[in-house]
Amino acid sequence: NAGVTQTPKFQVLKTGQSMTLQCAQDMNHNSMYWYRQDPGMGLRLIYYSASEGTTDKGEVPNGYNVSRLNKREFSLRLESAAPSQTSVYFCASSERGGAQPQHFGDGTRLSIL
Amino acid sequence: EDKVVQSPLSLVVHEGDTVTLNCSYEVTNFRSLLWYKQEKKAPTFLFMLTSSGIEKKSGRLSSILDKKELFSILNITATQTGDSAVYLCAVPRRTSYDKVIFGPGTSLSVIP
Repeated sequence: NAGVTQTPKFQVLKTGQSMTLQCAQDMNHNSMYWYRQDPGMGLRLIYYSASEGTTDKGEVPNGYNVSRLNKREFSLRLESAAPSQTSVYFCASSERGGAQPQHFGDGTRLSIL
Repeated sequence: EDKVVQSPLSLVVHEGDTVTLNCSYEVTNFRSLLWYKQEKKAPTFLFMLTSSGIEKKSGRLSSILDKKELFSILNITATQTGDSAVYLCAVPRRTSYDKVIFGPGTSLSVIP
């Protein structure tokens, strides 16, 4: 069972470059999320999509954009990468809402020089 | 401001020890509290707690919630090296169930 799949697993960017992180889930979940994880700070919500066709900001949305392409896919875009965006990014999904267990992808380790 | 605090932040124990991890929260209109285990990669779900005083168990792990005092504990008995991980506590905001607040995590190391 694939669950939540993220690509790429690793990426190094230069300041100012753009890139898109991809996420897909095969559990027919309605809700999808993007988090970043920094040392000592736990997981912080960047954006979420409660259902297909909707997206909303989380705690730390600045510098990011998202697209809920369909029920399965939720992508995160960095338009002009900055060193402060160096982090590990996790995509997650849940059947309906964060009050239910979330299933996480394996993460993307992103370094911005 | 809503927040989730975990203690201790790190812990080193010997195999066979029993450990208690703590999570306290200040979240408006509490709905549920979730525990996750994170080894090298993705966090994985352990427990969801919604009612005070009802213990959830899974093997050597158990958890309980106190909604009056606003905290939860996660107990691990007879620890094994495979229990080494970061344990995350998460609380959804009732105003928007999708906005989940995660605590910083407790890093547990179990040494043989």
